[in-house]
Amino acid sequence: EIVLTQSPATLSVSPGESATLSCRATQSVRSNLAWYQWKPGQAPRLLIYGASIRATDIPARFSGSGSGTEFTLTISSLQSEDFAVYFCQQYNNWPRTFGQGTKMEIK
Amino acid sequence: QVQFMQSGAEVKEPGSSMRVSCKASGDSFSTTAISWVRQAPGQGLEWMGGIIPVFGSPIYAKKFQGRVMIIADESTSTAHMDLSSLRFDDTAVYYCARATAVAGLDWALFDSWGQGTLVTVSS
Repeated sequence: EIVLTQSPATLSVSPGESATLSCRATQSVRSNLAWYQWKPGQAPRLLIYGASIRATDIPARFSGSGSGTEFTLTISSLQSEDFAVYFCQQYNNWPRTFGQGTKMEIK
Repeated sequence: QVQFMQSGAEVKEPGSSMRVSCKASGDSFSTTAISWVRQAPGQGLEWMGGIIPVFGSPIYAKKFQGRVMIIADESTSTAHMDLSSLRFDDTAVYYCARATAVAGLDWALFDSWGQGTLVTVSS
């Protein structure tokens, strides 16, 4: 199965700054990768699919890039509500697999 | 939009079986692709399988084949996930989630989630 490795595990960022999160796959998933945001006590929220397509109602400060095995989620001008866990998920192969997550915390 | 309400937390002994239920409201239950995903302590999410009630035939991740059974009761709009021969490492929060297709790929994205059910396997 495809293993997704996210880095860093924890990212400390100040509000207003930008953050770059990485997701690496053990084999190509083409552009079939999604990113989710997960806050404590809430359900995961789909942010990005197709590696770079924002889901409905997702602000433009969230952007995704990459294809094949290397993917990036960039969050520009971080706001207080953006501090959460972010995880990637591939849907190119079976079984669908998820990354371990990156916890973004306030610096 | 579909919403899911899951059954409550459970403690199970090793070797026993468990059932987690997921009641849907909102969208048409029959045509909703319902996945089961779990997260063990300190681990990432793990897809276990799913079912589309109107079709009835579930799909399972190879890791869980033989131990998991997913069924859907259309009369109550509830999906159930049974896991047998429980081990300590089955301790996890179990989620049901709606899976949607994108770009011709089924079971691709997970856009509605239940609140999660903690199952603890302990002797």
